[in-house]
Amino acid sequence: QVQLVESGGGVVQPGTSLTLSCAASGITLSNYAMHWVRQAPGKGLEWVAVISYDGSRRYYADSVKGRFTISRDTSKNTLYLQMNSLRAEDTAVYYCAENSYGYWGQGTLVTVSS
Amino acid sequence: DIVMTQTPLSSPVTLGQPASISCRSSQSLVHSDGNTYLSWLQQRPGQPPRLLIYKISNRFSGVPDRFSGSGAGTDFTLKISRVEAEDVGVYYCMQATQFPRTFGPGTKVDIK
Repeated sequence: QVQLVESGGGVVQPGTSLTLSCAASGITLSNYAMHWVRQAPGKGLEWVAVISYDGSRRYYADSVKGRFTISRDTSKNTLYLQMNSLRAEDTAVYYCAENSYGYWGQGTLVTVSS
Repeated sequence: DIVMTQTPLSSPVTLGQPASISCRSSQSLVHSDGNTYLSWLQQRPGQPPRLLIYKISNRFSGVPDRFSGSGAGTDFTLKISRVEAEDVGVYYCMQATQFPRTFGPGTKVDIK
């Protein structure tokens, strides 16, 4: 049974950093590309970033490029999203998802506010 | 970027009656590998998204057969043959043909 569990969300001030984690079980991250998708309060879904199954390729939405970094630790079977220079518009629930989008975590809320 | 549009944005339906949602992409979703990576996701209130349909018409594991997808190129449709109370939520189409991945704005389905 595949399970993805995000953590690391919270309330932070603009301009600061935060790192989200997505712990996977039931799948081996080194076999799958993984995505981060976010959803601002009351809004639709926005794709954020992807890392390839072997970690060699990463793509980002223009809205986060240069500020966010997707990575993973295969020894911990965990996906990460390092978020720097956070802005109010980054406020959202952040979901990790397996490449087919068949498996999603429950999400972690990031609130950027002064 | 590929822009995804959906109609209607809101769909009040009667229990037991069919429902249909249309999705259009700003360019063809046919990938160079010949596949069309158009998916449909359901998001119930307070829940993460759930994959219903992938590659236009393939139901994901555990998805009831009252859900079906069709279409080609730039025009796609999700149909619910007989709406049940548990189908209330927001439905998104999504393209995975190219980066960035993009989603439609969502269609809210609720019961009349």
